Amino acid sequence: ETGVTQTPRHLVMGMTNKKSLKCEQHLGHNAMYWYKQSAKKPLELMFVYSLEERVENNSVPSRFSPECPNSSHLFLHLHTLQPEDSALYLCASSLLGRGLNTEAFFGQGTRLTVV
Amino acid sequence: AQSVTQLGSHVSVSEGALVLLRCNYSSSVPPYLFWYVQYPNQGLQLLLKYTSAATLVKGINGFEAEFKKSETSFHLTKPSAHMSDAAEYFCAVHNQAGTALIFGKGTTLSVSS
Repeated sequence: ETGVTQTPRHLVMGMTNKKSLKCEQHLGHNAMYWYKQSAKKPLELMFVYSLEERVENNSVPSRFSPECPNSSHLFLHLHTLQPEDSALYLCASSLLGRGLNTEAFFGQGTRLTVV
Repeated sequence: AQSVTQLGSHVSVSEGALVLLRCNYSSSVPPYLFWYVQYPNQGLQLLLKYTSAATLVKGINGFEAEFKKSETSFHLTKPSAHMSDAAEYFCAVHNQAGTALIFGKGTTLSVSS
């Protein structure tokens, strides 16, 4: 299997639930990302992991908790979400390094609905 | 700070017509610029990228973009639109640290027959 794979593709959860989004990349990349895509809003960068260390956290509420156990896997743990958190959550990966500015490769996303 | 601005949230063309999607950038360092396409309920797919090797960049599906430093622009074009080009298009620039992409708000392209 190649590319970036996200599971599940669709998720409906109540505001008191706890769920996790999973992302896996088979590209040998050393950086992984979570983006949030809401209707009528630009893509928002949430978290960046480089070599399994979080290097960026863009003022994301604590009800979103990322985890990167190794360079191939990335999770987004969700708890006590709000309806406004409903969105498409996109995972991406890339190869970072000195002098490298390569593109990001995206998964197909998880469509999250909070009820 | 790095940013991109996409002019026009919606562009409509007829099949066979020229496609022009506009993107202007702001960058404090030499920029690395990208165009992505997103089909409904899908992730983003890279169309092309500018990494300073050549100002005219050719991508997939017949798209190309020209980097113009004097105009701080990186507009996307295609000579002849196809129905299958209907999608949302995003321009992006690397952040200053080079660790992540910053995206524009996107332009929805509609193609009519």
